[in-house]
Amino acid sequence: EDQVTQSPEALRLQEGESSSLNCSYTVSGLRGLFWYRQDPGKGPEFLFTLYSAGEEKEKERLKATLTKKESFLHITAPKPEDSATYLCAVSGGANSKLTFGKGITLSVRP
Amino acid sequence: DVKVTQSSRYLVKRTGEKVFLECVQDMDHENMFWYRQDPGLGLRLIYFSYDVKMKEKGDIPEGYSVSREKKERFSLILESASTNQTSMYLCATWDRGDGELFFGEGSRLTVL
Repeated sequence: EDQVTQSPEALRLQEGESSSLNCSYTVSGLRGLFWYRQDPGKGPEFLFTLYSAGEEKEKERLKATLTKKESFLHITAPKPEDSATYLCAVSGGANSKLTFGKGITLSVRP
Repeated sequence: DVKVTQSSRYLVKRTGEKVFLECVQDMDHENMFWYRQDPGLGLRLIYFSYDVKMKEKGDIPEGYSVSREKKERFSLILESASTNQTSMYLCATWDRGDGELFFGEGSRLTVL
């Protein structure tokens, strides 16, 4: 059974204080690891897909990296508008479905 | 842009009522999903469908059923709503299973 664990559960940062969010996973035959952002009361919004260890992707202040056991979402010089819940998910084997972690709630203070 | 539309953003129902949550997508995606999201539990898969009239149980199918009569529409049915089904329900679509999952805005259901 695929499993995804995200840590920490919540993170509070000062504006400009860089940090990383962790996603540890176990999956049989990784097809893809996904990062989503979710604002309160809304559906998750896609950020990145990573397919193999060593792969990295960037978007504005966010950078996602992948190893064989975990993924990191690095946030450089965050702003208050980066405050949201960040979800990690994996797809593996022959499954046509994603398994999600519980999410990390990020708060960035001005 | 892909659009996933959920019929109701907010619903309040009474225990024992039959509840229909509808989801429509406009991108001809084969795979459609229903999740529920609860604080501290994250997103949990209820049912999914990879083709018209096809359905598969997810991780928490008990108390739910689904219907997919047309490719663009996937309905979640609560035959007899209970208070523990109070939750945020999210519909999503997926094209080939190796790319982006597109979510609707969610339906917040309260069962009294």
